[in-house]
Amino acid sequence: GQQLNQSPQSMFIQEGEDVSMNCTSSSIFNTWLWYKQDPGEGPVLLIALYKAGELTSNGRLTAQFGITRKDSFLNISASIPSDVGIYFCAGHKTANAGKSTFGDGTTLTVKP
Amino acid sequence: EAQVTQNPRYLITVTGKKLTVTCSQNMNHEYMSWYRQDPGLGLRQIYYSMNVEVTDKGDVPEGYKVSRKEKRNFPLILESPSPNQTSLYFCASSSGVGPREQYFGPGTRLTVT
Repeated sequence: GQQLNQSPQSMFIQEGEDVSMNCTSSSIFNTWLWYKQDPGEGPVLLIALYKAGELTSNGRLTAQFGITRKDSFLNISASIPSDVGIYFCAGHKTANAGKSTFGDGTTLTVKP
Repeated sequence: EAQVTQNPRYLITVTGKKLTVTCSQNMNHEYMSWYRQDPGLGLRQIYYSMNVEVTDKGDVPEGYKVSRKEKRNFPLILESPSPNQTSLYFCASSSGVGPREQYFGPGTRLTVT
């Protein structure tokens, strides 16, 4: 199936640092989404992006829908311990109405 | 409270013994989907349903069945489980047309011995 390449695979940072991660594809997506999964729980939606070039914030999180529609970026500013978890990007193509493609995830560890 | 529920949360079974994992949502969502999560492989879509009586295959449908007789329920059926189906399973639903902003259940950890 379709693949999304998410990087980095894991990150170890100090509390207070900023974080950047990205997701790339060889094909175009119409919607990009970012989810966070806490240990032992299901993913929770952080940000949804619907237009190329769109920049959307949710508190300390900012995500961008790449101009080429083949990538997306997520930034977390001033990280805190509760930011720990796995971050997934997901893409959706209007032409494949029901299909959803997820990246492999970025595991974030924040050291106090 | 708006939520997606799954049962059971944990299940250990033996090869070949049919099982069903239930999924229910109380948000009147039309779209529902099943995923499996394996280490290093992210979430892979098994089956999805755009509405009642409308289901279709995702990327990894082999060995699974689903049904959508009611809007709120979307059970996942393993007719003859095998050890390679040992995984963490998530059900999700969305109010949009298709899998846009999905709400996920808490997960079902399945072990097949």
